[in-house]
Amino acid sequence: AQTVTQSQPEMSVQEAETVTLSCTYDTSESDYYLFWYKQPPSRQMILVIRQEAYKQQNATENRFSVNFQKAAKSFSLKISDSQLGDAAMYFCAYPNFGNEKLTFGTGTRLTIIP
Amino acid sequence: DVKVTQSSRYLVKRTGEKVFLECVQDMDHENMFWYRQDPGLGLRLIYFSYDVKMKEKGDIPEGYSVSREKKERFSLILESASTNQTSMYLCASSSLSGTGGVKAFFGQGTRLTVV
Repeated sequence: AQTVTQSQPEMSVQEAETVTLSCTYDTSESDYYLFWYKQPPSRQMILVIRQEAYKQQNATENRFSVNFQKAAKSFSLKISDSQLGDAAMYFCAYPNFGNEKLTFGTGTRLTIIP
Repeated sequence: DVKVTQSSRYLVKRTGEKVFLECVQDMDHENMFWYRQDPGLGLRLIYFSYDVKMKEKGDIPEGYSVSREKKERFSLILESASTNQTSMYLCASSSLSGTGGVKAFFGQGTRLTVV
């Protein structure tokens, strides 16, 4: 069974600075996807970024980028130029191949300091 | 704008009551999911459905059942609510790609308190 581990329950960063959230996972599959979801105080989960394992290039979405290390089974999220609206819970997730059910990490609560 | 709508944002029920949590999606998605969210535990899958009248157990199905009579609606049922079911419940839907790479859409969550 797949497992997803987020070892940082809480992180904080100064506004406009850069922060990196960590995620490790375990799988026996060779091709798969990985996601980062954001849950702001409104509770609406939003997909932030997606990485396909066979792609060497790290995914990027505006200020959000990932550092994907397949051999190390590591999938960290970097947020550049942090903004107040980035304050949220961030969940790393691994989707099951074939039925899309997600295995989530325990989450990292990100606080932005003005 | 695509939507997953959960019937209640907050709910308070008494121990032993039968509780229904409703979820409706307007995207014609095949897959629907119920997750439970607890601090320090992340989101855990209770049940999911990939078609009308089809259901499969997730990681923590005990004490719960589900119903999917129509494609757009997926209900979570607590047959006899207990205090340890006090939690946040999130519904999600996605299309069935078979690759695991599709985006899931989530409802706004129901915070259930059992007293």
